[in-house]
Order: sequence, then structure tokens, then C-alpha cells
Amino acid sequence: GAGVSQSPSNKVTEKGKDVELRCDPISGHTALYWYRQRLGQGLEFLIYFQGNSAPDKSGLPSDRFSAERTGESVSTLTIQRTQQEDSAVYLCASSHYRAGITGELFFGEGSRLTVL
Amino acid sequence: KNEVEQSPQNLTAQEGEFITINCSYSVGISALHWLQQHPGGGIVSLFMLSSGKKKHGRLIATINIQEKHSSLHITASHPRDSAVYICAVERDSNYQLIWGAGTKLIIKP
Repeated sequence: GAGVSQSPSNKVTEKGKDVELRCDPISGHTALYWYRQRLGQGLEFLIYFQGNSAPDKSGLPSDRFSAERTGESVSTLTIQRTQQEDSAVYLCASSHYRAGITGELFFGEGSRLTVL
Repeated sequence: KNEVEQSPQNLTAQEGEFITINCSYSVGISALHWLQQHPGGGIVSLFMLSSGKKKHGRLIATINIQEKHSSLHITASHPRDSAVYICAVERDSNYQLIWGAGTKLIIKP
């Protein structure tokens, strides 16, 4: 596709349920970021994938959060046993990392998660 | 002290005014990004620069590496420029992006 695609665009779930969010980065982009943005707040880093390197998971807020990426393609962010404080927009961004520079960032439209 | 500071936090101006948003940082960087987020909208990259100046339409971004400072300028501002403008720097030691808190810009007709 032409841009970063995220699904679902909206997800309403009950507290305690698991959710899975998907990100399709731009083809050829080796770097992929997940961010969380709560209402009226800035971006909160969650996890970073770069090529075949071990992902940087330092931003994941708890062990209920996990993410995977298959090679340099699709990534999924999984939140287990969701809590109300998990309600936010989850944003994915990709870029063509080369020569030690991240490159222009391309963001998806986000997945809005509401935990009741 | 935050490693990336943006100013002002909020800016309201009249249509047509020249707008300047500032970004100062305290770490060594390999690149600096300016991005835009409209209310309820996605985030769009405006510029990525590591030196000098870039221009795109009515937007101009400059960076002074020695001063560790960047500015985003909007000429002939328009209500559709109303958005949050975010500065992010990329550490020169690794991939990490450090984000500013954003500047909320409102342009009144």
C-alpha cells in the first residue's frame, strides 16, 4: 500500500479482554515504532523494531503488553487483560532506516482503543 | 529539564501572520523532525533535517546545530494551519527519537 495501514481503526472492548492491533508498514521500511497517545497528551513510546535486531521493548508499560513483527513486514501489538487506563490511540510509524538515520517518519491513522 | 523543549506551548494568531515555533534540544543529534497533527487527525511528517534550511510551500524549517536549536516558520498563516506541531530529535548515538511536547497553534480567520 501507499502508506502505513493500521487495523482496526476503532476497538471497544470490555475490561479484562485481550486485544490485538495490527500495523502494515510501508514496504521496504525497516524501522517500525509503536506509540500510545492518550487524549490530549503527547506520544508515548512503546516499542521499536529495526530490521533483524532485537526489538527495543523499553517503553512497554507492563507485561500485559507485547508486540511482534514478522521480518520487515506486519507488526501486531497485543494487550492482554485490558484495563481502562489502556484506552488511547495506538499509533504505528515506519521509516526507511539507513546509514544510522531513521529517515522520514510515516504514521498510520491509529487504532483507537476504548476499554469499558 | 526535558531534552527537547518546544516554545511556545500554545500560540493563537490571526490569519496572515508570520508564525515561528521553536525547538531546543540538549543532546547530540543526527536529525531533527517536524511533524503536524490536526485535531482528531493523524500525524504527518513535515520536515526531516540535519543542517541548514528546508522549505516546502509556506513552511520553512531551519536548524542551527551549534546552537542546538530549530525553528519552524509558517508564512501567510491560514486557519487550516491550526494543528499541533511537534519537534522530535534523533540521538546521534542510537535510533532513539526524543519528542517535544508539541505546540498547539490556532489561526483565527
